[in-house]
Order: sequence, then C-alpha cells, then structure tokens
Amino acid sequence: DQQVKQNSPSLSVQEGRISILNCDYTNSMFDYFLWYKKYPAEGPTFLISISSIKDKNEDGRFTVFLNKSAKHLSLHIVPSQPGDSAVYFCAASIIQGAQKLVFGQGTRLTINP
Amino acid sequence: GAVVSQHPSWVICKSGTSVKIECRSLDFQATTMFWYRQFPKQSLMLMATSNEGSKATYEQGVEKDKFLINHASLTLSTLTVTSAHPEDSSFYICSAYMVEQYFGPGTRLTVT
Repeated sequence: DQQVKQNSPSLSVQEGRISILNCDYTNSMFDYFLWYKKYPAEGPTFLISISSIKDKNEDGRFTVFLNKSAKHLSLHIVPSQPGDSAVYFCAASIIQGAQKLVFGQGTRLTINP
Repeated sequence: GAVVSQHPSWVICKSGTSVKIECRSLDFQATTMFWYRQFPKQSLMLMATSNEGSKATYEQGVEKDKFLINHASLTLSTLTVTSAHPEDSSFYICSAYMVEQYFGPGTRLTVT
C-alpha cells in the first residue's frame, strides 16, 4: 500500500525553466510534508517542508504547494540549474516534527543545459 | 552542522554471515534514530525506530531477530543484519532526529 506516490519516475527540464515535481498521498491523517533531494551514493538532504495548515511555502528558488482537498503537493524549482539534477523524494508525516516519515518512490530530475 | 555518518559505505558478505552497520551523528546528539532500506527505483522504507537506551520499534513485516538494532549512546546506533541472505541485499540508510531528520550517506549491502 503506497501511501505516498510520485507517479513520474523521471523528468527532464531545460536549464533556466521551471521544474515541477508532483506527489500524491492517500492518508488524510498526514499533516506535514517534506521534500528531499538525493544524489547517488548519498543520503537524502532536506529541501523544504510544509504544514497542512498552509497551502504554500517558499524558500528561494523552491516553492512547495499543498492542495489538501486533492491530497496533492508539488515542488516548483525556478529557475532550474544543472546542480538541481538529482532524485527528489516527497515524504509525509502524521506528526509534525518529521518523525516516522513515509516516502514516495522518487523522481529523477535532469536539468539539460 | 547536523552531519550523520555511516560505516561502512559498502559491504559484500557471504550468505549466512552477519554484518554490522554503524550510524553516527557527528555534531549533535540524537535520542531517536531511524533505519531505512531502499531497493532499486523504490522509495525509502522505514524499518525501525531506534531510541537511545530502549528497545527499537520495528515496522510491520520487519523481522526484529534478523535486523538487530542497538542504540547505546546519543550519537551511535547500529544495525546488524544476522544470517544475511541474497534477498537482504539493499541500500540501508539511517537518519538521526533533531527537529528534522538528518540522513546518513547510506550503506550498500551485497550478499553473495
């Protein structure tokens, strides 16, 4: 039972354009959502998070949008840079404070020059 | 800050042997550490939650007698894969919790 789903295994975007990564979840009890970035042979690195009381959180080039009614969140990266090429995981938690995370399958983002 | 290390980064062992993986928080103390495993092209699956000084809490379907977890100090948790079999081959990642989860670089285990 995959409670957090990232249906796009890969995404290719031109440098300078916007990258949009999507994530869907099924458990309505989730109230805290995070995005992680992962390079090969490294552990995930925290990128940005959002609480269920918000619908948007922005940090520099990264913005996360949450649509609770649709149980959908997205990560926008603009402008995309070559260093953004990595695997991105969304994760959800029932308890804010990022304990006991449930991860999606990941989306491999490739930024083309 | 908030650096987590894992050792070894990769290990190859023979079927039937045991392997120990260490997870250390280098510059902070973590009362809680988590162990995950990741199969190729799949998500990180939580295996167990490790609390310093107490028994680990295992997720459903994870054999606690096979995956022994010890959290002896606030900076060290160990995962021992006992009597390893080829199906245990995977990427094992730990994280240490301090407001957020900080992940180690992972350990690639190959059982031959």
